[in-house]
Amino acid sequence: GAGVSQSPSNKVTEKGKDVELRCDPISGHTALYWYRQSLGQGLEFLIYFQGNSAPDKSGLPSDRFSAERTGGSVSTLTIQRTQQEDSAVYLCASSLSRGPSTDTQYFGPGTRLTVL
Amino acid sequence: SQQGEEDPQALSIQEGENATMNCSYKTSINNLQWYRQNSGRGLVHLILIRSNEREKHSGRLRVTLDTSKKSSSLLITASRAADTASYFCATGHGSSNTGKLIFGQGTTLQVKP
Repeated sequence: GAGVSQSPSNKVTEKGKDVELRCDPISGHTALYWYRQSLGQGLEFLIYFQGNSAPDKSGLPSDRFSAERTGGSVSTLTIQRTQQEDSAVYLCASSLSRGPSTDTQYFGPGTRLTVL
Repeated sequence: SQQGEEDPQALSIQEGENATMNCSYKTSINNLQWYRQNSGRGLVHLILIRSNEREKHSGRLRVTLDTSKKSSSLLITASRAADTASYFCATGHGSSNTGKLIFGQGTTLQVKP
């Protein structure tokens, strides 16, 4: 079946502009995650959604970052007033949410964001 | 920081040799997972070991978990050039059905043909 898809695969923007990154999780997966991977920080958790529960936003680095998940499926990560330090690969993952001991997260190919 | 540590940071071996990577973490976990990443893009899930398991096998992969030492190891036997990639351990946390993953810094493995 289809895996997690993300768009765009690459995004180049100017400092100060807003960007939207999209994630389509695997069909039937109730949990969706966003991570960021940059050279200096490795892989960092940003936010996750689980069904209709309030999202865990504990990893968002600033209030310029926000995310939505509409209809329990597609998610959009928005970065406002982008800064050069936002340049990174943004990875989305989804999981079946069968239980904390066995939950496997499946990752998309990522969106490489470059802020000039 | 809860982030795990991996060692070595880089490993270079000849095809056919075994590769061992280690991961340590700081807080209690629900599970520990290993991922592979090629060319800095998508992560491929390799294996998940639960906190109450000590060893798990999948093909040429063997993972051990020692919760008393808060450490895990990934062994790749009979390595191939195609195993060249970055390998990350990630620990699962949280009391609900899901939870964020905390990643280690990764080990870059090069397998020379």
